[in-house]
Amino acid sequence: GESVGLHLPTLSVQEGDNSIINCAYSNSASDYFIWYKQESGKGPQFIIDIRSNMDKRQGQRVTVLLNKTVKHLSLQIAATQPGDSAVYFCAENPYGGATNKLIFGTGTLLAVQP
Amino acid sequence: DTGVSQNPRHKITKRGQNVTFRCDPISEHNRLYWYRQTLGQGPEFLTYFQNEAQLEKSRLLSDRFSAERPKGSFSTLEIQRTEQGDSAMYLCASSPTTQGGYTFGSGTRLTVV
Repeated sequence: GESVGLHLPTLSVQEGDNSIINCAYSNSASDYFIWYKQESGKGPQFIIDIRSNMDKRQGQRVTVLLNKTVKHLSLQIAATQPGDSAVYFCAENPYGGATNKLIFGTGTLLAVQP
Repeated sequence: DTGVSQNPRHKITKRGQNVTFRCDPISEHNRLYWYRQTLGQGPEFLTYFQNEAQLEKSRLLSDRFSAERPKGSFSTLEIQRTEQGDSAMYLCASSPTTQGGYTFGSGTRLTVV
């Protein structure tokens, strides 16, 4: 069946370092990908998205890389701050704009050490 | 507009009782989605509306679950005869019609005892 992501791993980084969170997806039909950040007790918060016709997109302190050859997505956070501590989910849309339904992975816990 | 609003934030209910949750989306968003999230997992799609029409329902949405969006604005999700397995965070999100990221609400955490 379709699946996105890994079992929930934990990434521990020092404040100020760069973080890289990885995600694997299995559906080659997916043409749209999103990274969400979820803090404890809150709903997922949109961080950045990328369409399949791109391989890199940059935001403020964040960069998403898409490698369609190996079906891999990564989120890079520059100069990680304590406020970045959260669970990060990648999500894919293999259904196109008709439904805009997303498949989420299980997430990665980012722990930023002061 | 302060984003997607969900009420209540928390609900504790006894097994067998019915519960109803409400979601108020961002006003200009045509699409509204319900997802369920269990601890340590990513959200799972339940159903979505475009305006007042319910266009898709997941297999996860058993006959005990029903969702409505009567006027194309707020939506309700009702669970009848709740079971312990229904305990989860129920997330609502909205988006414009075109493909794009959702805006999620803070969710309703349901605990069935």
